[in-house]
Amino acid sequence: EAGVAQSPRYKIIEKRQSVAFWCNPISGHATLYWYQQILGQGPKLLIQFQNNGVVDDSQLPKDRFSAERLKGVDSTLKIQPAKLEDSAVYLCASSFRDEQFFGPGTRLTVL
Amino acid sequence: AQSVSQHNHHVILSEAASLELGCNYSYGGTVNLFWYVQYPGQHLQLLLKYFSGDPLVKGIKGFEAEFIKSKFSFNLRKPSVQWSDTAEYFCAVGMDSNYQLIWGAGTKLIIKP
Repeated sequence: EAGVAQSPRYKIIEKRQSVAFWCNPISGHATLYWYQQILGQGPKLLIQFQNNGVVDDSQLPKDRFSAERLKGVDSTLKIQPAKLEDSAVYLCASSFRDEQFFGPGTRLTVL
Repeated sequence: AQSVSQHNHHVILSEAASLELGCNYSYGGTVNLFWYVQYPGQHLQLLLKYFSGDPLVKGIKGFEAEFIKSKFSFNLRKPSVQWSDTAEYFCAVGMDSNYQLIWGAGTKLIIKP
């Protein structure tokens, strides 16, 4: 079965610019997660979707981050405007029940 | 707030050595426990998980982990490591019904051939 797809794999932007990440989960997985992983730390949940509804976005910095999952399949995560501290790997994961399957991540560097 | 602690950030072993990576969590309720692994250049993938039953669980590639409820621990073990076990290992704990996970900071394991 095809895995979780993410693009782009790498992105370099300057602070105050905007950026968007895309995720395509495994077919049939209702739950989708976006994580932020800063170097030397474990993944931190930003937002969890169940189909196209938000389950938890309590750790999403809503003044600059937004995410959507139209039609309950693909999802996009946007940062506008980016700050230096947003430099991290952004991971997308999907699950049917308890096991989360991860994509390759997008490495964002903010200069 | 709930947290997950992994005791060692870096571990270096020789091939055939035994491995034990520590994981402790702070939550007094029912938990689901996971170890994920990220090999160089690859995605995070599940190594093993514990939900209930036998507290000693076996995963892929000869790994096992033991849940000790009284110690709030879920340590990962392997009797004899191989060079191909070089990777970063993450402990994660689920504490609610939403399947959300709280993650440790990870342990980078380097196996010297």
